[in-house]
Amino acid sequence: SQTIHQWPATLVQPVGSPLSLECTVEGTSNPNLYWYRQAAGRGLQLLFYSVGIGQISSEVPQNLSASRPQDRQFILSSKKLLLSDSGFYLCAWSVSQPDTQYFGPGTRLTVL
Amino acid sequence: KNEVEQSPQNLTAQEGEFITINCSYSVGISALHWLQQHPGGGIVSLFMLSSGKKKHGRLIATINIQEKHSSLHITASHPRDSAVYICAVLNNNDMRFGAGTRLTVKP
Repeated sequence: SQTIHQWPATLVQPVGSPLSLECTVEGTSNPNLYWYRQAAGRGLQLLFYSVGIGQISSEVPQNLSASRPQDRQFILSSKKLLLSDSGFYLCAWSVSQPDTQYFGPGTRLTVL
Repeated sequence: KNEVEQSPQNLTAQEGEFITINCSYSVGISALHWLQQHPGGGIVSLFMLSSGKKKHGRLIATINIQEKHSSLHITASHPRDSAVYICAVLNNNDMRFGAGTRLTVKP
């Protein structure tokens, strides 16, 4: 069966510090991968999606970047965090598009 | 106007009641998702629809492509159904989300 992992579960970082959130999927090959953010009191927002290794599409301009160094690994990064980067970050995968997306447990990021 | 509108924003029901949550969208879509977000933040995909109706246990989702409208129904609601329900529309890899409906089911 397929599983999706995210870590860390929670993170508190100072403004200006770097960020690296990792997402891995097991039990499937060549998944579509997604990063979402849910800011406090706001809805979900798609940040990045990837249909293959090294292929990243960005939905919104921002302080964040994404990379997919391996087939089942998706990394969300920032060189310098802003207060506005605080939120709940969710990774998801799907077999193809359109298809059901399966969400990871999420990372709650607080930037102070 | 948001591309995806959900109603109501908040809903309180008594255990056993029939629940309906509505979603209207203004963009072309290839599919529509209904998601359930638990208090801890975890999200579960309930349904993905491109036409007609789907049923899973006490949950039923319908979509009318012509009217650009979808509904999520919960029959015989239970306190464990308390969560935020989110409608999301998909066009290729572009997903747009509604603001969510916070459902509280009281025993």
